[in-house]
Amino acid sequence: GESVGLHLPTLSVQEGDNSIINCAYSNSASDYFIWYKQESGKGPQFIIDIRSNMDKRQGQRVTVLLNKTVKHLSLQIAATQPGDSAVYFCAENTGGFKTIFGAGTRLFVKA
Amino acid sequence: EAGVAQSPRYKIIEKRQSVAFWCNPISGHATLYWYQQILGQGPKLLIQFQNNGVVDDSQLPKDRFSAERLKGVDSTLKIQPAKLEDSAVYLCASTPGPQVAKNIQYFGAGTRLSVL
Repeated sequence: GESVGLHLPTLSVQEGDNSIINCAYSNSASDYFIWYKQESGKGPQFIIDIRSNMDKRQGQRVTVLLNKTVKHLSLQIAATQPGDSAVYFCAENTGGFKTIFGAGTRLFVKA
Repeated sequence: EAGVAQSPRYKIIEKRQSVAFWCNPISGHATLYWYQQILGQGPKLLIQFQNNGVVDDSQLPKDRFSAERLKGVDSTLKIQPAKLEDSAVYLCASTPGPQVAKNIQYFGAGTRLSVL
């Protein structure tokens, strides 16, 4: 069936380093992908998105890369800060505005 | 702009009891979602409304879960009777609707349900 998964459940980085969070998806028909950040006790919050006709999109300190050949998505966070500590979800949009979330990666930022 | 409002924030009940959650989406948002998020997992869609109509309820356990959005604005999700495995955070999200190209969902803080 359709699924969106992540390679690593946890990631620990030093403050100031770059973080890379990976995600694999299985539905080749999906055309829109979103990264969400979820802090403790809060709902997920939109970070950045990308359409399948693109392979890279940049935001403020964040970059999303899409490799359709291997169905892989990654989120890069530059100069990681303590406030970046959270769980990050990739989400896959299929037809009809249905969103499938992956299991998430917990990012720990060490001071 | 006010965000998605949910209440209560926490609820503790015993198994076989009933519980209801309330959600008020962002003003003007036509599409509303209810998700179940079990600890350590990603949100799982329970039901999606477009205005007051159901778009997708394929993963809603209809023998015990029900949801309504009668006036196309706020929504309630009910569980009757609750089971231990219903312990989770119930998230509500909204989007402007399909007329907007991007399906960026805005989430409430959720209701944490503990079933004992």
